[in-house]
Amino acid sequence: DIVMTQSPDSLAVSLGERATINCKSSQSVLYSSNNKNYLAWYQQKPGQPPKLLIYWASTRESGVPDRFSGSGSGTDFTLTISSLQAEDVAVYYCQQYYSTITFGPGTKVDIK
Amino acid sequence: QVQLQESGPGLVKPSQTLSLTCTVSGGSISSGSYYWSWIRQPAGKGLEWIGRIYTSGSTNYNPSLKSRVTISVDTSKNQFSLKLSSVTAADTAVYYCARFFRAYYFDYWGQGTLVTVSS
Repeated sequence: DIVMTQSPDSLAVSLGERATINCKSSQSVLYSSNNKNYLAWYQQKPGQPPKLLIYWASTRESGVPDRFSGSGSGTDFTLTISSLQAEDVAVYYCQQYYSTITFGPGTKVDIK
Repeated sequence: QVQLQESGPGLVKPSQTLSLTCTVSGGSISSGSYYWSWIRQPAGKGLEWIGRIYTSGSTNYNPSLKSRVTISVDTSKNQFSLKLSSVTAADTAVYYCARFFRAYYFDYWGQGTLVTVSS
């Protein structure tokens, strides 16, 4: 299985500031035949199911605010919240779909 | 708007079989681009993919659970189901059903149902 790791485990950011979450896969999730990274990002608020934010590493799901962006390729990926809002407090997970589905352990984002 | 709703017993005894059903509304479970999946999350922990099914009945399971898992589909009822046998306390978790776009990512999720394994 591909092992996903995330850093940091948690972070606290001031309102309006940038939050950056890193995700690393134990092997590349870039599929060479279509040049796509098989990686998604989810947001999970307390008591709620995860919500899809980003797929193909950088494609924003419909309705997701543009302050959320994804980047990276191969084994190293980043989710950036450009200007943190109060409603962004949540745990964020990365997920690879290159092989048997696995998720990262999550990164908790709080307000400083 | 597609909606998914999990249902089933909230308490299961050790060694017994956990059974859950997911009812899909707002769209047909037979839509061609979608698989249907189960994911679980122990309290305070991360997400674990259990398996998925296509409307043809084709399944794929997480190897770590494969020997105990069966996922089935009933297209006439727009439902799919999960059976997990020989459960232990380690199987206590919130169980989510989700729509799985082309077996890539999960774009719609149910609210989740807590299943506790205890005697």
